Amino acid sequence: EPEVTQTPSHQVTQMGQEVILRCVPISNHLYFYWYRQILGQKVEFLVSFYNNEISEKSEIFDDQFSVERPDGSNFTLKIRSTKLEDSAMYFCASREGQTYNSPLHFGNGTRLTVT
Amino acid sequence: GDSVTQMEGPVTLSEEAFLTINCTYTATGYPSLFWYVQYPGEGLQLLLKATKADDKGSNKGFEATYRKETTSFHLEKGSVQVSDSAVYFCALSGGTNAGKSTFGDGTTLTVKP
Repeated sequence: EPEVTQTPSHQVTQMGQEVILRCVPISNHLYFYWYRQILGQKVEFLVSFYNNEISEKSEIFDDQFSVERPDGSNFTLKIRSTKLEDSAMYFCASREGQTYNSPLHFGNGTRLTVT
Repeated sequence: GDSVTQMEGPVTLSEEAFLTINCTYTATGYPSLFWYVQYPGEGLQLLLKATKADDKGSNKGFEATYRKETTSFHLEKGSVQVSDSAVYFCALSGGTNAGKSTFGDGTTLTVKP
């Protein structure tokens, strides 16, 4: 079964550094998302992306965050200047179509640790 | 905006016990409802879904019925196993904020032999 893949599985960075989290969504999916999860519990929406542009973003997704689909397969999340509170699990997800009946398919996540 | 409220955890059960995890939602329109499960060290994966009122989603012995009158989607299983130990998330999509899915806080289930 096709799956969403994320790299790296764990990223450690110093405060103020830039990080790029990478995702390869399922190939025929059209809608892409980033979520984050702090302390293994609450799953928070960051951003949705469709047709090469952001379709919705949350308050968390401020100017320090950006997303890109540079080559038609990868989908990246960049944090320009990391803060301690950015430490979390970051999940990429994709959805096949526009109907909201279809579920999200999640990757296994990248654990970001900011020191 | 949309919101999902799950019963607080953690929940600890003995093997073969009956499980209920409550979930209620707030949304306009006719959202689709989902239960996702997260095993340790993994991402979320779909457990079951229901797309309209009175639909019942089921998978791996788990069931949930979309109740529009009570805005609920409670997860049940008649006999849990140790392998069911995981975090369970109730979620909706297609409500007020149509472009994203909204998740509950998650309920941690531990099943002891």
